[in-house]
Amino acid sequence: DTAVSQTPKYLVTQMGNDKSIKCEQNLGHDTMYWYKQDSKKFLKIMFSYNNKELIINETVPNRFSPKSPDKAHLNLHINSLELGDSAVYFCASSQVASVSSNEQFFGPGTRLTVL
Amino acid sequence: GENVEQHPSTLSVQEGDSAVIKCTYSDSASNYFPWYKQELGKRPQLIIDIRSNVGEKKDQRIAVTLNKTAKHFSLHITETQPEDSAVYFCAASIGSSASKIIFGSGTRLSIRP
Repeated sequence: DTAVSQTPKYLVTQMGNDKSIKCEQNLGHDTMYWYKQDSKKFLKIMFSYNNKELIINETVPNRFSPKSPDKAHLNLHINSLELGDSAVYFCASSQVASVSSNEQFFGPGTRLTVL
Repeated sequence: GENVEQHPSTLSVQEGDSAVIKCTYSDSASNYFPWYKQELGKRPQLIIDIRSNVGEKKDQRIAVTLNKTAKHFSLHITETQPEDSAVYFCAASIGSSASKIIFGSGTRLSIRP
């Protein structure tokens, strides 16, 4: 009964390729996020969508393009992969409008390795 | 820009002793402060959070304190156990909306048997 799921779990690819990571949440949340965690464990927000609308877009290269077909899905497409894109990418979701809790529920992560 | 600083980056304590992790934030409008625990190879998970209208919150062996004037907040873990070994992240909301939080750089906590 996975709350936030991501596919694939591991992704190994060559520089210059284009790849996608998919994320789905079954919690009924209205907000979804993509985070990048580098080798030093820094967790940096990349994007956030609220009800399919982009609300946060950090200074991320435009090679990264999020797509939210509906509020339960937020996919991340990366063009022309570079060595520096190697990291663990986490999807998360939350119910921001909730008064009781704004907990972000994270997916299991996708470890991307660019060779 | 908005910033959250976290110290120390690594912390080793004897099992049974207490551990304290401290954070400071820069946005005076921040009003939501969660703490996440990330075990090795796992996803971050919320362990406790506090809002700006409260100075302290406790949940069993874990407590968080908030000093809004000084823009400091801290995590206290008492009677530490081996399963407390993990990386801990503090975070602060940007502005009054909880839709965006900025994470600290993390503290790797090791519990010595």
